[in-house]
Amino acid sequence: GAGVSQSPRYKVAKRGQDVALRCDPISGHVSLFWYQQALGQGPEFLTYFQNEAQLDKSGLPSDRFFAERPEGSVSTLKIQRTQQEDSAVYLCASSFWGAIYNEQFFGPGTRLTVL
Amino acid sequence: KNEVEQSPQNLTAQEGEFITINCSYSVGISALHWLQQHPGGGIVSLFMLSSGKKKHGRLIATINIQEKHSSLHITASHPRDSAVYICAVTLRGGSQGNLIFGKGTKLSVKP
Repeated sequence: GAGVSQSPRYKVAKRGQDVALRCDPISGHVSLFWYQQALGQGPEFLTYFQNEAQLDKSGLPSDRFFAERPEGSVSTLKIQRTQQEDSAVYLCASSFWGAIYNEQFFGPGTRLTVL
Repeated sequence: KNEVEQSPQNLTAQEGEFITINCSYSVGISALHWLQQHPGGGIVSLFMLSSGKKKHGRLIATINIQEKHSSLHITASHPRDSAVYICAVTLRGGSQGNLIFGKGTKLSVKP
């Protein structure tokens, strides 16, 4: 079956522009994670959904970042008034259930460049 | 201080060499993951382990819970093994399983 997909794969935004990044998890996966990976660094946790409920958004760096998963499947990460420090690869991962002991499946990521 | 530390940061090897990448962590964990990331961003899960040792093909992962240390070994390395290898953990007592990542080890295997 299809894996996790993300779109767009690449996004160039002017500083101050709003962007929306999409994640399509594997069908039936309950858990969905967003991670941010700066150049040369390991990914860092942003937010977690269990079905449509956003249970943890402690990793979102500012109130300009907003994520939703209204029907418990597709998720969108929105960044308002982008800044240069937002430039990174944004990774989405999904897991069947209770990702504590289950493998997470990653999407290819969206590379965001803010000019 | 990073909760997950990897060494080395960069590693260059000749084809056929035995490779070891190390990971140390400072928190209580429920599981440790080894991941592979190729240029372009895609991450693939190699192993998830909470004790002992796992083997898949030429890859071997071990973990010592008492010492809070894990190693990833690659036997008979090949240029196609060139990638970034990332160690990540899920916290003990956590309920959601989000990963805490190391910074990765960039491996380059020369023919």
